[in-house]
Amino acid sequence: AQSVAQPEDQVNVAEGNPLTVKCTYSVSGNPYLFWYVQYPNRGLQFLLKYITGDNLVKGSYGFEAEFNKSQTSFHLKKPSALVSDSALYFCAVSLWAKGGATNKLIFGTGTLLAVQP
Amino acid sequence: ETGVTQTPRHLVMGMTNKKSLKCEQHLGHNAMYWYKQSAKKPLELMFVYSLEERVENNSVPSRFSPECPNSSHLFLHLHTLQPEDSALYLCASSQDVGGRNEKLFFGSGTQLSVL
Repeated sequence: AQSVAQPEDQVNVAEGNPLTVKCTYSVSGNPYLFWYVQYPNRGLQFLLKYITGDNLVKGSYGFEAEFNKSQTSFHLKKPSALVSDSALYFCAVSLWAKGGATNKLIFGTGTLLAVQP
Repeated sequence: ETGVTQTPRHLVMGMTNKKSLKCEQHLGHNAMYWYKQSAKKPLELMFVYSLEERVENNSVPSRFSPECPNSSHLFLHLHTLQPEDSALYLCASSQDVGGRNEKLFFGSGTQLSVL
């Protein structure tokens, strides 16, 4: 089955330190990969996406993600964490529904990022 | 703000009640979606509408009934729900449903509690 896995329920990091939120995928064909962020009491917001080309993708708020085909991973990274980065992060992969009629986003379970001051 | 507005923000209902969730998007998008978010579970895609036509229904129980009167509005009608239906219900929109790199815009959700 095609899926996305986020192995960590929570990641704790001190402010100013680099952060990594992990994501691995299992899909047939070339994956289209996304990261979304959910701040408390808010809906999900798009951060970045990988379609093709450069394996390092830059997104909003200083975040970036590295696509690694051999490891089937798409980890989210930031060189220096801020307290305001504390939120729930979702990895997602885009699939064609049967018949190619609709695009479908398959989400992971989410990883809670807690940045301590 | 994302341009997608959901009301109410919170809803408490009994198992015999009938209620509706409302979603409105101001982005001129053609596609709208309902997702269910439960703790420590992946977001579950429930319904997809494209230009007011339902294009996907992911085996959702009939106690959930969607309605899309126009491309800007989406409703989720609820009746005889179960306690396990308690969750955050998210509405989203995108320009179209056909592109694999479509970006979704989400509302803030309705936190539903079924007693």
